Formats: sequence, C-alpha cells, structure tokens
Amino acid sequence: AQSVAQPEDQVNVAEGNPLTVKCTYSVSGNPYLFWYVQYPNRGLQFLLKYITGDNLVKGSYGFEAEFNKSQTSFHLKKPSALVSDSALYFCVAGGNNRLAFGKGNQVVVIP
Amino acid sequence: NAGVMQNPRHLVRRRGQEARLRCSPVKGHSHVYWYRQLPEEGLKFMVYLQKENIIDESGMPKERFSAEFPKEGPSILRIQQVVRGDSAAYFCASSPVGQLSSYEQYFGPGTRLTVT
Repeated sequence: AQSVAQPEDQVNVAEGNPLTVKCTYSVSGNPYLFWYVQYPNRGLQFLLKYITGDNLVKGSYGFEAEFNKSQTSFHLKKPSALVSDSALYFCVAGGNNRLAFGKGNQVVVIP
Repeated sequence: NAGVMQNPRHLVRRRGQEARLRCSPVKGHSHVYWYRQLPEEGLKFMVYLQKENIIDESGMPKERFSAEFPKEGPSILRIQQVVRGDSAAYFCASSPVGQLSSYEQYFGPGTRLTVT
C-alpha cells in the first residue's frame, strides 16, 4: 500500500523568499506523485504531477517539484513566494486505483 | 465547461437523520471518487465508483454509509442515522479514465456536513 509523509505541519515564509514544502512517499512499483493545493472552503486544485521522465516537474502558478528516487522524496518548490500562495498543500501518491494523501502542510506567506 | 459539482455545499442534520450528498462529475468523466476530510486531517479515501458499479469501497465504514453512481444522474453518498462523528467535509472527485494512478483527479468544492 502506498503512503505519504509530510513532516511539517506549517511552513512560514516571507514574501519573495523561496518556498519548499517537503514530501516523502512509499509506494510499490513506479510512483505516480501529485501536488494539490486547497484554499479555505474550497476543493483541491491540481498543481503538478510526476509520472515518468524528467525529475523536475513544472506546474501551475510557478510551482515545481523535484522527484528524487533515492530519497523517495517529491518536494514542492517555488522560487519566490506570494502572499496568495498561503494555503494547504497536499502531496499525493497514486497506485492501486486510489490516491494516498499526506496530511497536508499549511503554508503561510508573510507580507 | 463545468467542473465537478457538489450539492449541497453545506448540510446540517440532527443525530439520527439521513444525509444525501450529490456529485456531478466533469462532463465525460465516468469515474467518481469520494473522500472525507476531518478537521486538521488530510483526505481519506472512501469509495471509487464507475457508472453503475462500485469498484472499491474499502474506505467506507461498514455500516450506515453507501454510495451509488447510476447510469443517469449524479453520484450519491448516503449516510443513514448520522452521528456527530460524521461531521466533516466530503469531497467528490472525477477522472476520465480508471486505473487511475497516472491521471489527476478533478475535485469538487465539497459538502460540509454538520451533525447537531
């Protein structure tokens, strides 16, 4: 069974600084990895995914994520955070007809 | 081009009543998933359905919960005799194909169920 760990509860970052949200995964077979973002009282929005190919995946709103097989990680990154990036971020692993969600990281971008 | 629609957005039920949550997937999507999100927690998979079939209900509580996705109309998540512990946000998602692993899911805005 697949599982996802997001070790930090909250990530605080100053506006304009780089943003990193950490994620490690455990899956059998080839990993299918996703990042979703959830704004207050809204559903989840897809940001990006890794299926195969380049380890660096670029997604929506300037986000990117780096797949690292040896470290079983899929950290989300943004070079320069915006206040509007403040939200809840979920790392997700796909397999066996279902998705396994991490518990989520609250990102707070401080003006 | 409507996305996933869920209604109602907010639902208040007294203990013992029934709750019916509806989900209309993205047009053309025949695979629907239901998730529950408890406060301060991530999403927990409940059930995966295709038209007229339940594919995987391993995340559904054994009692009081049921789901369907009829040939016509929305998918329905039904909770009978609700208890306070059922209070949560329930999200529906859809995808264009099954064997989902490599396909992103499209999420609805959720239904927030409050049991009083």
